[in-house]
Amino acid sequence: ETGVTQSPTHLIKTRGQQVTLRCSSQSGHNTVSWYQQALGQGPQFIFQYYREEENGRGNFPPRFSGLQFPNYSSELNVNALELDDSALYLCASSPATGRGETQYFGPGTRLLVL
Amino acid sequence: GEDVEQSLFLSVREGDSSVINCTYTDSSSTYLYWYKQEPGAGLQLLTYIFSNMDMKQDQRLTVLLNKKDKHLSLRIADTQTGDSAIYFCAEKDWDAGNMLTFGGGTRLMVKP
Repeated sequence: ETGVTQSPTHLIKTRGQQVTLRCSSQSGHNTVSWYQQALGQGPQFIFQYYREEENGRGNFPPRFSGLQFPNYSSELNVNALELDDSALYLCASSPATGRGETQYFGPGTRLLVL
Repeated sequence: GEDVEQSLFLSVREGDSSVINCTYTDSSSTYLYWYKQEPGAGLQLLTYIFSNMDMKQDQRLTVLLNKKDKHLSLRIADTQTGDSAIYFCAEKDWDAGNMLTFGGGTRLMVKP
């Protein structure tokens, strides 16, 4: 069984640019959540996708957007990058959106904005 | 909204027990999780407990839940140097897309 994978592992961008991060969910999982983890802090929820629809959103501006594809993989897009967007971006998948479903995390993409 | 708090740092000697503490604020039934993060890595799920339980044991790990005080603890028995990492507790918010609210993490250092 393949776990959650993310690409790329590292990325350097400059202010104002746009970035796309990718996530492949664990086999059999149809729900993907994205989190931002700034240095020295706990992860913060960005949004969740279930069956290609957004299923909840945290306190992030609209320049953070996402997609989920029919194979349940997902993308996180960030427009107009700011220095504070530098962080580890974590993707997590779960079998469904049920209350008892556990989220399993990928290794993350480390984004540096200069 | 939920707020989850943890102490920042814990240092123990190899072979001792470690106890990592967490407080949460949600008053409704919820799931509470412990994740481990090693340097440069993602989050590894260690264990979880539903808020109607008092205790859960899984090999070297024991989770204790005090619902009245909204206090959660993770005890690691016979702590090893490989247990050195950052430990996060997280609370599930069912009203917001099943999002997890994380504490700031406790850095566990195990000295040989």
